[in-house]
Amino acid sequence: DQQVKQNSPSLSVQEGRISILNCDYTNSMFDYFLWYKKYPAEGPTFLISISSIKDKNEDGRFTVFLNKSAKHLSLHIVPSQPGDSAVYFCAASAKGVNNDMRFGAGTRLTVKP
Amino acid sequence: DVKVTQSSRYLVKRTGEKVFLECVQDMDHENMFWYRQDPGLGLRLIYFSYDVKMKEKGDIPEGYSVSREKKERFSLILESASTNQTSMYLCASSGGGPGQQTNTGELFFGEGSRLTVL
Repeated sequence: DQQVKQNSPSLSVQEGRISILNCDYTNSMFDYFLWYKKYPAEGPTFLISISSIKDKNEDGRFTVFLNKSAKHLSLHIVPSQPGDSAVYFCAASAKGVNNDMRFGAGTRLTVKP
Repeated sequence: DVKVTQSSRYLVKRTGEKVFLECVQDMDHENMFWYRQDPGLGLRLIYFSYDVKMKEKGDIPEGYSVSREKKERFSLILESASTNQTSMYLCASSGGGPGQQTNTGELFFGEGSRLTVL
């Protein structure tokens, strides 16, 4: 049973518009959430994270929002660029409890020029 | 430049063969992980280790074992490979234990090892 779920396998947006990727989790012990980006034939790379004590974290074009009551987080990319085309994985861990991390199934984002 | 290196990018093995996947990190990280990535399933945790000679089962440990004899090296072993173990295998590392300052939570991944079992 997946503890982290990304229900949209793919998303296509126009260059310059906003991309919104969604993620839901079930384990209330999770207190740290991350987004990773993966290009083909490469390992995932860290993009942005958020602690459960916050509801928003921003880094340049990337913003992550956390709604703990709904056990939901989202990644906003604005403006979207063709180089953002990749698979995005949502991940969660109980950082204060143990060291393992759980990932969602990923969302393939395509940004069209 | 920090690095996680996986020994083989591509392997082709036959059913029943023993398979070793090696992973080395140069960041002096305490924690190391093995995941497999399959379409529609994302990254699933096989095993992880938070110290030398320590290991913990992840979500899908069946058919796999691991070895951590040195801090920098974490090996994944398939004792008898089967076709359903055809997958992309990803090794990762992270620093520190729970509550430690070095525990940034971020995982650093290798480039992956694509294993095909015939």
